[in-house]
Amino acid sequence: SYELTQPPSVSVSPGQTATITCSGNKLGDKYVSWYQQKTGQSPVLLIYQDSDRPSGIPERFSGSNSGNTGTLTISGTQTTDEADYYCQAWDSSTPIFGGGTKLTVL
Amino acid sequence: QVQLVQSGAEVKRPGASVRVSCKASGYTFTDYYLYWVRQARGQGLEWMGWINPISGTTDYAQKFQGRVTMARDTSINTVYMELSSLTSDDTAVYYCGREMVVLGANQLPLDHWGQGTLVTVAS
Repeated sequence: SYELTQPPSVSVSPGQTATITCSGNKLGDKYVSWYQQKTGQSPVLLIYQDSDRPSGIPERFSGSNSGNTGTLTISGTQTTDEADYYCQAWDSSTPIFGGGTKLTVL
Repeated sequence: QVQLVQSGAEVKRPGASVRVSCKASGYTFTDYYLYWVRQARGQGLEWMGWINPISGTTDYAQKFQGRVTMARDTSINTVYMELSSLTSDDTAVYYCGREMVVLGANQLPLDHWGQGTLVTVAS
């Protein structure tokens, strides 16, 4: 079965750029989406189709996808960005989620 | 505004069944597929299946086939997810989510989520 691998944790200082990766076999041939989930809350869609943002999502969230790796980049990271981040892609007709990355802003 | 409002927390005994509802508002109910995703405490997101509100057609993750049933009631804009033969491993927060629509595209992510329903399975 298809798997998406994310680093369990990423740390970043406020104002710096955070990069979260998502790895999967030939992931660049698929579309990647990204969700943010704060503690005790439902997931929020940040990025779809690799790099598009839904309305209301700040421009400092951006995405890319090539080869075997999808990437979520958060520019000018804020303390409010501290959350779990999940990538998601489709394998045939099945949505697959990555294991999640905990972003710590300190 | 789009809202997905789920039913309240449940406590069930092992072997029992649970039914969780998800009431949609703020958009045309039949225009969007609805999904169910669960999350065990401290764990990641796990897709369970989806339902097409127009036709009632469903697709379930292989892991849950035979144990899960999804249904809809278009008269009240509500979808349901029933999971049977519960074990402690089914203790989780269950979410419904709406698949977004982009012209000419399919297999899109979930752009709106319910608030989640905690299902606890314990003897």
